[in-house]
Amino acid sequence: DAEITQSPRHKITETGRQVTLACHQTWNHNNMFWYRQDLGHGLRLIHYSYGVQDTNKGEVSDGYSVSRSNTEDLPLTLESAASSQTSVYFCASSESGSGETQYFGPGTRLLVL
Amino acid sequence: QKEVEQNSGPLSVPEGAIASLNCTYSDRVSQSFFWYRQYSGKSPELIMSIYSNGDKEDGRFTAQLNKASQYVSLLIRDSQPSDSATYLCAAQDSGTYKYIFGTGTRLKVLA
Repeated sequence: DAEITQSPRHKITETGRQVTLACHQTWNHNNMFWYRQDLGHGLRLIHYSYGVQDTNKGEVSDGYSVSRSNTEDLPLTLESAASSQTSVYFCASSESGSGETQYFGPGTRLLVL
Repeated sequence: QKEVEQNSGPLSVPEGAIASLNCTYSDRVSQSFFWYRQYSGKSPELIMSIYSNGDKEDGRFTAQLNKASQYVSLLIRDSQPSDSATYLCAAQDSGTYKYIFGTGTRLKVLA
């Protein structure tokens, strides 16, 4: 069965360190998305991609970067982790176009000390 | 700034009752709407999508869309304790195909 996986599922790091969260999907979807979820804010879009070599900034992209070298993977990098980036991170993917369902990965819980 | 708004709740209903969850959106060009359920500590999972004005039923769930009023709702009939979760409403931006999520409504079904 097609799925989205994220790794690691839990991560503790220190401020200033670079952290990369992995996202891998076997749906063969063109569109991939990274969100963070915090109490009171819901799901906020960090970065998204419509295909290989395409990346776009979302509403809370500062301090984060992504790259898309193949269809299956969209890793999210925190260039210099800050305590404000402590959150739960979800990766999602969808087919291209209007009305397509987004499928979510299991999430990564990140704690920045 | 395109927005989707939901009452955060908690909405408490007794077992067997109808739960009514509501959502409004600010973008008149949004055409596609989604309801996701999220259990504590888990990822969102799709319950229903709706694209046309009117009602769409799937088992105990009915989604309702009124584009003129920019209003989407989800009705859960015969509510069960297992329905206790946070329900997220999402609208898809017709131009960018991004999904805009509300902050979610927490539903508690009391046994």
